[in-house]
Amino acid sequence: GNSVTQMEGPVTLSEEAFLTINCTYTATGYPSLFWYVQYPGEGLQLLLKATKADDKGSNKGFEATYRKETTSFHLEKGSVQVSDSAVYFCALSRDFGNEKLTFGTGTRLTIIP
Amino acid sequence: NAGVMQNPRHLVRRRGQEARLRCSPMKGHSHVYWYRQLPEEGLKFMVYLQKENIIDESGMPKERFSAEFPKEGPSILRIQQVVRGDSAAYFCASSPGREFEQFFGPGTRLTVL
Repeated sequence: GNSVTQMEGPVTLSEEAFLTINCTYTATGYPSLFWYVQYPGEGLQLLLKATKADDKGSNKGFEATYRKETTSFHLEKGSVQVSDSAVYFCALSRDFGNEKLTFGTGTRLTIIP
Repeated sequence: NAGVMQNPRHLVRRRGQEARLRCSPMKGHSHVYWYRQLPEEGLKFMVYLQKENIIDESGMPKERFSAEFPKEGPSILRIQQVVRGDSAAYFCASSPGREFEQFFGPGTRLTVL
């Protein structure tokens, strides 16, 4: 079956540091890949997505590239801010938006000033 | 346009009681998904519903759990005779169709004493 393995947290960084959160997946076929963010007390929000190999998703300074050869979708940001503190979830679906999402366990990120 | 609404946000039940969780999708959305997040784990798909129909319930425990999405009113996730292992955060998502992004609610945190 499908599965997502995500970098263990929590992760604590100083403001303006470089961020990488690793995500690898196992799936049949050609899944779509997503990063969701959850701020305290709120629901998950879609941060970025990629629907085919070599696609790069980007939003709010975050980027992730769909690497089929390494089955990875690592999240990166060049300079983090305190407001980026949240829990980040990597996820996949069989097709974009189609039916159920399979999530990783989440990575809690804390940015200190 | 209001987002996905879930109530209650927090629910406390004693073992053996019933829990009812409600989800009001975004306006114009006729597809609803329920996910469960156990402590220290990622979100796990439970059930996918369209108005008056269950499309996929492959993630739903076979006993004590049921879901509905009537023609009028919110979607309801019902857990009968709750046990301590049901303590979790339950998230609802909605979309206007299978091929579209899922928008998540803030979740209901169920605690079973």
